[in-house]
Amino acid sequence: SQKIEQNSEALNIQEGKTATLTCNYTNYSPAYLQWYRQDPGRGPVFLLLIRENEKEKRKERLKVTFDTTLKQSLFHITASQPADSATYLCALGGNNAGNMLTFGGGTRLMVKP
Amino acid sequence: DVKVTQSSRYLVKRTGEKVFLECVQDMDHENMFWYRQDPGLGLRLIYFSYDVKMKEKGDIPEGYSVSREKKERFSLILESASTNQTSMYLCASSIQGAREKLFFGSGTQLSVL
Repeated sequence: SQKIEQNSEALNIQEGKTATLTCNYTNYSPAYLQWYRQDPGRGPVFLLLIRENEKEKRKERLKVTFDTTLKQSLFHITASQPADSATYLCALGGNNAGNMLTFGGGTRLMVKP
Repeated sequence: DVKVTQSSRYLVKRTGEKVFLECVQDMDHENMFWYRQDPGLGLRLIYFSYDVKMKEKGDIPEGYSVSREKKERFSLILESASTNQTSMYLCASSIQGAREKLFFGSGTQLSVL
């Protein structure tokens, strides 16, 4: 069955450093991958979408890579700030029935001043 | 900005009660979704709808039903609430297929006692 793995342990980093979060998947050939941010008690908020034929995508301090050979996406936040502290979810879509998104469990990021 | 509004932030119900969770979006989106979110399990799709009066089962539809009488409103119904339905429920909408980004509501934390 399809499986998406994100590190369930919280990632703690110092302000100003680059945060790197990982999303691995198995038994899946997604057409695209999305990253969402979720704050406590709130719904997820869309950040970036990357397609299977794209290697990298950037948006301000965010960078996403997508390696379909390794079946992995990396999500980077450069010059991290305490306001970046949140849970980040990856979601895969396409090439399956109904074109629905499948979400990972999310990784909590804590940026300390 | 797109706004997805869920009627309640917190809800406490008793086992066996019929529960209605309401969701309204204000951007004329065709697609609407209901997810539940549990620690360690990520977001799981319960039902979705591509059009008025249309519904499709997601990954975990058992114990739930939905209603979409108007384009802007998508209701989730628990016919007879059970304790294993205690969860965070998230409604989302999108423009076309799931390829487009999802806009989520703030969620309803439902506790079934």
